[in-house]
This record gives sequence, C-alpha cells and structure tokens, in this order.
Amino acid sequence: QVQLQESGPGLVKPSQTLSLTCTVSGGSISDYDHYWNWIRQPPGKGLEWIGYISYSGSTYYNPSLRSRLTISLDTSKNQFSLKLSSVTAADTAVYYCARAGKGDRSLFDYWGQGPLVTVSS
Amino acid sequence: DIVMTQSPDSLAVSLGERATINCKSSQSVFYSSDNKNYLAWYQQKPGQPPKLLIYWASTRESGVPDRFSGSGSGTDFTLTISSLQAEDVAIYYCQQYYSIPPCSFGQGTKLEI
Repeated sequence: QVQLQESGPGLVKPSQTLSLTCTVSGGSISDYDHYWNWIRQPPGKGLEWIGYISYSGSTYYNPSLRSRLTISLDTSKNQFSLKLSSVTAADTAVYYCARAGKGDRSLFDYWGQGPLVTVSS
Repeated sequence: DIVMTQSPDSLAVSLGERATINCKSSQSVFYSSDNKNYLAWYQQKPGQPPKLLIYWASTRESGVPDRFSGSGSGTDFTLTISSLQAEDVAIYYCQQYYSIPPCSFGQGTKLEI
C-alpha cells in the first residue's frame, strides 16, 4: 500500500520561502509513469493544483505559481519536495502531496494527509 | 484554462434516496484519439484528503461502492449516488485532466443528509 507523508514548518513568515517534503513508502518514487504532485486547499475553499515532478525528474508547474516554485526529487530518500518563495497570506493553505499513477499525469490516486501551512508574521 | 462549474453548491438528500451532482466544463474534455473523457470525481470528508472515486468519467476506482456512478461526455457530466448512505456525507469535486497545466477542479458540492 502506497503512503505519502508531508513534513515541514506549519508557520512561515511573509516574504520567506515555504518548504515541504513528501516521503513516499510502499513504492518507489522512480517507478515508471508515476508523477508526484503538490496540491493545495485554502481553508474552507477548493483545490488548486501546484505542480508535479515525474519519475524521471521532469517538472510541470501551474503558470500562476511558476515564477516562485521549485519541485525536486530525492530518489535516495524516496522523497520529493516543494519550495514556494516570497509567500504572502494568500499562500496559507493545506498542502497535499499526491501521486498520479493511473496512466495520466494528473489523476491522483494516493494522497498525503496534508499539513496546514499558515503565512503570518 | 478550462473552468469547471458544479451544481448545486449544496444538496440535502434523505438516506436511501438518489443524489445527483452535475459538473460542466468550459470546453470539451473528450479526446477523440483515445475516445476518453478526461474527467474525474473525488470525495472529501472533513479533515481528510480527497479520495478518487471515478475517472475517465465513468470508471469506478477499486474499492468504491457500486452505488457511485459517473456519466456524461464532452462538457456535461454527472455523479450519481444511487442510494445515499450516512458515510457519503462529504464534499464532492469534479476535475478535468484534459488540458494541463493546469488541471482544474470544480468548486465542490456539499452533500448532506
């Protein structure tokens, strides 16, 4: 059974960089045709796709966040990470990591529990 | 970007009755080369991540009860729960994955008893 677990600070100051890591267990992050995504949900609101990194390390970002975003892969630790720079209160959200593994880059079959990350001074 | 619009925003249905949620996309999500609609449905319960229920518009994910079904093609889609159970109380989201980036979600439909 694949499991994903996010880790990182729950509070980030405005203008700083939000950093989160997703640890994958029960499967390899290098498995062919799997894509590793970040999705966020502001409190009480809907879902916004942030971006993904593929099993081979290629990335694809939401254009609205591209200038501030980096997603990277660490195959030795079976982890992938998110860095979002120059954050504001609008970036306050629950941040989910999710796997796309059903033959499409954006079909999310496994999700982490998602920590709330608050941007506040 | 493709905009997904769900209706209604909230819905109250009696136990054992049918629940129907609609989803409309701003452009077709049907890909003629593989004859598939790039449309999925997710269920989100309070304090939990979304759970994949239906993909390719009508394919039920493994382990999802058969009271859940998806239908539609092109721009208009429906999620139907044939006989509502108490555990089905949740927010339901449709998602298009035809045009990325970005994939996009509907605003959600809150289903209550």
